[in-house]
Amino acid sequence: EAGVAQSPRYKIIEKRQSVAFWCNPISGHATLYWYQQILGQGPKLLIQFQNNGVVDDSQLPKDRFSAERLKGVDSTLKIQPAKLEDSAVYLCASSQRLGSYEQYFGPGTRLTVT
Amino acid sequence: QQQVKQSPQSLIVQKGGISIINCAYENTAFDYFPWYQQFPGKGPALLIAIRPDVSEKKEGRFTISFNKSAKQFSLHIMDSQPGDSATYFCAASKETSGSRLTFGEGTQLTVNP
Repeated sequence: EAGVAQSPRYKIIEKRQSVAFWCNPISGHATLYWYQQILGQGPKLLIQFQNNGVVDDSQLPKDRFSAERLKGVDSTLKIQPAKLEDSAVYLCASSQRLGSYEQYFGPGTRLTVT
Repeated sequence: QQQVKQSPQSLIVQKGGISIINCAYENTAFDYFPWYQQFPGKGPALLIAIRPDVSEKKEGRFTISFNKSAKQFSLHIMDSQPGDSATYFCAASKETSGSRLTFGEGTQLTVNP
């Protein structure tokens, strides 16, 4: 069974530029999560999808962050414009269904904003 | 608001020793407590998890001890090996929130040969 795929693995941009990250969850997993992991901290949930609907985006900075999961499979997370404090690893995770506790994480995208 | 507090921040153990990492939570609605292991450049991987209806769960060299009244739980790694060197995160979740995970700050474990 293939794991959660993410790309790119690394990205360096200047502040005020835009960036997008892509995630492909485990096949058949209905629930998809995006987490932000700042260096030295635990991951923090940004947004949670169930199929193509948003379940929880309460911690997503909506003035600059957006995410979509149009066909209920792949997802993209966008930052526009980026700030220095957005430097972090962006992790995508998936689980079989809403309420399924086991989440499987991808390798993450390391973003550096200069 | 930090709902899960983890300690210590870093831990150095000799090979064969016992590694102990502690976590405390605030929200009594949490009903699932996993531990994740993360190696550099990798995403977190589920190691072991427990629900509040049991006080201990053991899987191989890894044991979770859970104290519901104290709102604390801990990870014990027996016979620690250099390959266990990684960052460990405790987390908590509740079904009513769609099982979103609230993570602790992490513990960087180093096992010396």
